[in-house]
Amino acid sequence: GAVVSQHPSWVICKSGTSVKIECRSLDFQATTMFWYRQFPKQSLMLMATSNEGSKATYEQGVEKDKFLINHASLTLSTLTVTSAHPEDSSFYICSAMGVRADTQYFGPGTRLTVL
Amino acid sequence: DAKTTQPPSMDCAEGRAANLPCNHSTISGNEYVYWYRQIHSQGPQYIIHGLKNNETNEMASLIITEDRKSSTLILPHATLRDTAVYYCIVGWGKLQFGAGTQVVVTP
Repeated sequence: GAVVSQHPSWVICKSGTSVKIECRSLDFQATTMFWYRQFPKQSLMLMATSNEGSKATYEQGVEKDKFLINHASLTLSTLTVTSAHPEDSSFYICSAMGVRADTQYFGPGTRLTVL
Repeated sequence: DAKTTQPPSMDCAEGRAANLPCNHSTISGNEYVYWYRQIHSQGPQYIIHGLKNNETNEMASLIITEDRKSSTLILPHATLRDTAVYYCIVGWGKLQFGAGTQVVVTP
């Protein structure tokens, strides 16, 4: 149990385009989902918290207009990187927390490369 | 700032127990202690968590001191596949990752 998937697993795009990453909880309902970013040889950095049906809460320094988060259902959250630039190239990881709200389960991550 | 302190790296012999320490002297009463691990280029894998009592599951054991200011993750019989970065995190809800401990299991 407690499986979280992400799609796509990797994506390459041109500078200026937008990219959408999906995060799904496959076998449980996720009342809260989190989005992280990880640069090479660094730890995970929390970007935002999203609760189903409400606006996401962004961490300090994260541009909400650039990283659009939608949590439309209890099993799906999406992260859209708008007008991507090479500095947005990173490993994006989501996590999901169920109704017990005491454990986060992580997806496998999405590798974004912006050319 | 990270709320936990972990050694940056540890080596462990295959088949032996691996004991990973973590200091969290500023932990609050309602904060859990979580352990995750991350194998290169993958998402973090949940290992175990606890509040006050020691916990054990099929992967590991978690020993929390009585004052809750430190804990130890025990991998009872390390295998080569246990080579990973291990993160000790305290909190509830939002989790802030520190640098973790790079564990290398050697034959």
